[in-house]
Amino acid sequence: GAVVSQHPSWVICKSGTSVKIECRSLDFQATTMFWYRQFPKQSLMLMATSNEGSKATYEQGVEKDKFLINHASLTLSTLTVTSAHPEDSSFYICSAVPRLTSGGVSYNEQFFGPGTRLTVL
Amino acid sequence: GNSVTQMEGPVTLSEEAFLTINCTYTATGYPSLFWYVQYPGEGLQLLLKATKADDKGSNKGFEATYRKETTSFHLEKGSVQVSDSAVYFCALRAAGGTSYGKLTFGQGTILTVHP
Repeated sequence: GAVVSQHPSWVICKSGTSVKIECRSLDFQATTMFWYRQFPKQSLMLMATSNEGSKATYEQGVEKDKFLINHASLTLSTLTVTSAHPEDSSFYICSAVPRLTSGGVSYNEQFFGPGTRLTVL
Repeated sequence: GNSVTQMEGPVTLSEEAFLTINCTYTATGYPSLFWYVQYPGEGLQLLLKATKADDKGSNKGFEATYRKETTSFHLEKGSVQVSDSAVYFCALRAAGGTSYGKLTFGQGTILTVHP
């Protein structure tokens, strides 16, 4: 249980185009999902917190107009990289936090997706 | 702000060797501490965790003890296997406030175990 998928697993696009990355919790509901960016041989950097039914909360320095996040349902969050440029090339990882049956949120563990490799030419 | 510092890698060991990966943190209050492992081509998996001082997390032969006095959470394993080759991340979760629920990661340590 507690599986998180990401699609696509890798994508190559031309500079100036937009790319959408999906993050799905396959066997649980997640009111909160996190989006991270991982540079080669570096740590994960939190980009934003995605809450179902509300606007995402972005970390300082992350452009919200460039990285559009939509958390349309309890099992799906999307990250759209708009007008992508080569410097946006990176490994993007999402994680999902299970929604408790009582309606609350359990932060005891985040479940991570396998990541999406974005290459912008 | 919160931060996590891990020993730099890569770490290369022979099978059955003893492993230690150091991790220290800076945080206010009483954060929860985690070790995650990332195998090649896969997502991060929780390896072990500790939620309060002096707790010991353990899993698959790995152990780490939450040391409040030294703000450390070092990862150890007595006898590594080739299958342990992966990237290991130390992380903390803020105790409360506006950062509640967010994870702060260390830079990751690449472990390679040779037969």
